[in-house]
Amino acid sequence: QSALTQPASVSGSPGQSITISCTGTSSDVGGYNYVSWYQQHPGKAPKLMIYDVNNRPSGVSNRFSGSKSGNTASLTISGLQAEDEADYYCSSYTISSTPLVFGTGTKVTVL
Amino acid sequence: EVQLLESGGGLVQPGGSLRLSCAASGFTFSSYAMSWVRQAPGKGLEWVSSIRDSGGSTYYADSVRGRFTISRDNSKNTLFLQMDSLRAEDAAVYYCAKTLVGATFKWDYWGQGTLVTVSS
Repeated sequence: QSALTQPASVSGSPGQSITISCTGTSSDVGGYNYVSWYQQHPGKAPKLMIYDVNNRPSGVSNRFSGSKSGNTASLTISGLQAEDEADYYCSSYTISSTPLVFGTGTKVTVL
Repeated sequence: EVQLLESGGGLVQPGGSLRLSCAASGFTFSSYAMSWVRQAPGKGLEWVSSIRDSGGSTYYADSVRGRFTISRDNSKNTLFLQMDSLRAEDAAVYYCAKTLVGATFKWDYWGQGTLVTVSS
C-alpha cells in the first residue's frame, strides 16, 4: 500500500487561508469517510486535528476544517497563525492488507 | 489527564529483538483500542500495529507482520510491542497512541515516543 500523496510544502501569510490536499484512490480516500488529519510540531508527537473527513475533536480550533471530493481529501486552515507552522499528515482507512495508510506529509510555513 | 509513557527503546543489532512498553493513565485503558505508530528520522508517519480494547483482535502493517507482536495487559494498563528480527528500516521513534472511543485507527492522544536504533 503506497502512501497518500500530499504536497511537500504549502505556505501562506498570517490571516490567509491555505488548503492541503491528500490524494489517494478508490481503495482508501475515495472509498471511505475515514480520513484524519494530524499536526506535528518539530520534536513533538502528532495531534489529531480532523477525523472522519470533517469532524473536529474538542479543543481544536474551528479555523481547521476538512472536506473530501472523490479520491482527494483536503485540510483548510483559515486565518493562518504563526503557531500553525508545522507538518501535517493525512491518513485513511484502506481496503488493503495494511488497513491504515498515512500521507507523505506537508510542511506548512507561515511567511 | 491522559498520559502515555513509552519505554524499552534503544540500540539493537540487525536480527535482534526489543520489547516496547507503553504505560497508560488518566483513562479507562480497557475500553479503548491502542496502536503503535512509528516515524523514521526525518521521515513521515507509518502505522505499525493496533489492538482492540479486549485484545481479541490485532492488526499489523505488511512491513512488520510476522516479526512484531502487539499485546496488552489491561490489569496493568500497559501496551506492548514485541519486535523480533529487527532490520535497519525498523529504526524509528515509536509512538504509543490511544484511539477515539469506538475507533481503531483514529488517535486522540499520543505518547512522546521511544527511539529504536538498529545498527551493528
